[in-house]
Amino acid sequence: AQSVTQLDSHVSVSEGTPVLLRCNYSSSYSPSLFWYVQHPNKGLQLLLKYTSAATLVKGINGFEAEFKKSETSFHLTKPSAHMSDAAEYFCVVSDLGGTGFQKLVFGTGTRLLVSP
Amino acid sequence: EAGVAQSPRYKIIEKRQSVAFWCNPISGHATLYWYQQILGQGPKLLIQFQNNGVVDDSQLPKDRFSAERLKGVDSTLKIQPAKLEDSAVYLCASSSQGLGYNEQFFGPGTRLTVL
Repeated sequence: AQSVTQLDSHVSVSEGTPVLLRCNYSSSYSPSLFWYVQHPNKGLQLLLKYTSAATLVKGINGFEAEFKKSETSFHLTKPSAHMSDAAEYFCVVSDLGGTGFQKLVFGTGTRLLVSP
Repeated sequence: EAGVAQSPRYKIIEKRQSVAFWCNPISGHATLYWYQQILGQGPKLLIQFQNNGVVDDSQLPKDRFSAERLKGVDSTLKIQPAKLEDSAVYLCASSSQGLGYNEQFFGPGTRLTVL
């Protein structure tokens, strides 16, 4: 079965400094990987996705992630944090299972705190 | 384009009571998902519909949870009777197709508190 591990439950940064949210995956075949963001009292929003094309994936709001098969990692980065980036971030792997229908498996989440 | 709608947004009940949640997916989306998100955890898939048929309900506690999507559009999720451990946010999502990868769009969720 597919799974993801988010290595940090909380990450604190100052506004204007780089962001790094770490994710490792476990998969028996080439996975599809995603990062979702959840702001308080709002729905989950897709930040970016990797589906076996370019290993460096660019998403919305200046975020990007790099798929590294040798390290089984899919870390999320942003060069400069903004106050509005404070939210919960989920690393997600897609598991097609035996039916061919997509099933998303979420990590436990990383809360990003941004201080002025 | 309107997003995924859910109601109610909040619900407080006592244990052993019943509760129902409603979801209206994005127009034209064939696939609908219900997730349970317990505080401090990532969402966990409860059930997946393709049109009005169930594709995956392997993680749905069928002794107390039920869901339906009779006309292949909106859906209801019911808990009867509720337990304390059912306190969570229930998220509904939809996607345009089921097979392979398709982006899932999430609603705002219903926060359930069981006392």
